[in-house]
Amino acid sequence: EVQLVESGGGLVQPGGSLRLSCAASGFKFDDYGMHWVRQAPGKGLEWVSGINWNSGGFGYEASVRGRFTISRDNAKNSLYLQMNSLRAEDTAFYYCVKDIRGSYYGRFDYWGQGILVTVSS
Amino acid sequence: SYVLSQPPSVSVAPGKTATITCGGNNIQTKSVHWCQQKPGQAPVMVVYADSDRPSGIPERFSGSNSGNTATLTITRVEAGDEADYYCHLWDNSGDQWVFGGGTKLTVL
Repeated sequence: EVQLVESGGGLVQPGGSLRLSCAASGFKFDDYGMHWVRQAPGKGLEWVSGINWNSGGFGYEASVRGRFTISRDNAKNSLYLQMNSLRAEDTAFYYCVKDIRGSYYGRFDYWGQGILVTVSS
Repeated sequence: SYVLSQPPSVSVAPGKTATITCGGNNIQTKSVHWCQQKPGQAPVMVVYADSDRPSGIPERFSGSNSGNTATLTITRVEAGDEADYYCHLWDNSGDQWVFGGGTKLTVL
């Protein structure tokens, strides 16, 4: 059974940093691209970032480019999102999502349950 | 960047057919996917690549894509279909995934 479990969320002040982690199990992690998708409370879905199976390619949504960094450790079956210079508008549930392909432009497959990041003073 | 437009809400009586649209410039040239999100839950794919269904999704869910509009159709709507539905696609030129704003389906 595929499982994606996010951790590392919480309350952070504007301008602060946070690192999200996603522990993957139930599939061969290093064969697949991975994503972070977020959803502000009561709002719609927004793709944040994606990464290829071997970290050889990645992409970012425009508003997070230069502030967020996606990475993965295939030996640990883990996906990460380093978030710096956080803003109030980054407040959202962050979902870890598996792609059906080795790239990050296949399609979304399995989703984690999400973790809340709140940016507030 | 590429923009997808969905109606904020659609209402339908049980047993009837719900149609949810997703508008985009020449969207027929792109592969459109649809996911369903119930309150407090993670999204679940219901249609991918315009008209294919993942295993486990009822045949009542179908999709089409033509011109500037992609459509999700749910026949014989049930109370359990009440949810938010999001179209999304890969935008090659922008190197990013794009979501529509979502449509809240209400079963009357």
